[in-house]
Amino acid sequence: DAKTTQPPSMDCAEGRAANLPCNHSTISGNEYVYWYRQIHSQGPQYIIHGLKNNETNEMASLIITEDRKSSTLILPHATLRDTAVYYCIVAGSARQLTFGSGTQLTVLP
Amino acid sequence: DSGVTQTPKHLITATGQRVTLRCSPRSGDLSVYWYQQSLDQGLQFLIQYYNGEERAKGNILERFSAQQFPDLHSELNLSSLELGDSALYFCASSPRGGAIYEQYFGPGTRLTVT
Repeated sequence: DAKTTQPPSMDCAEGRAANLPCNHSTISGNEYVYWYRQIHSQGPQYIIHGLKNNETNEMASLIITEDRKSSTLILPHATLRDTAVYYCIVAGSARQLTFGSGTQLTVLP
Repeated sequence: DSGVTQTPKHLITATGQRVTLRCSPRSGDLSVYWYQQSLDQGLQFLIQYYNGEERAKGNILERFSAQQFPDLHSELNLSSLELGDSALYFCASSPRGGAIYEQYFGPGTRLTVT
């Protein structure tokens, strides 16, 4: 599975959009981009995933660049409860998750 | 609340001891996964069971073992514990054991080995 690079931390004002970047320059054609988050040592929570098209669900939007070497997770109206560590994972046929260090997002009042 | 339950929430034990962690999957889910999360290693997959049978094995030490029972609950047994085994242990369940985005995680068991 391809390696990902994320900034270690970001801040966002409550009510504003939070844009979390992820670089995955070695991604291969059959690998998806997944985003998970973990709120203060709770169990990881799935957010969204995509292959090459932009995706949106009730939690977030995922924007994947045309060359698929990077992506951005967008939380459109961040709340204090969105404060968490966000993990970007690239995986193909793997059935198991592996997390690296992720981005600590802090939503400020 | 994901519907996955894990007991106990916290466990403190001494080196050399043996402990058992328990997981009850979501109703109807056939597959159970065990993960270990430590500060320096991130989240690491240990083992997966599907309907009572071992399906996949990850970085699970020989001192660790797991099983899934006919009622689909699972137990992770950790023996000859070392200080480095201190970590959060998560269980996840999924309906069929396929796509990773179908995994729902429990609240975890925090193991401290002293």
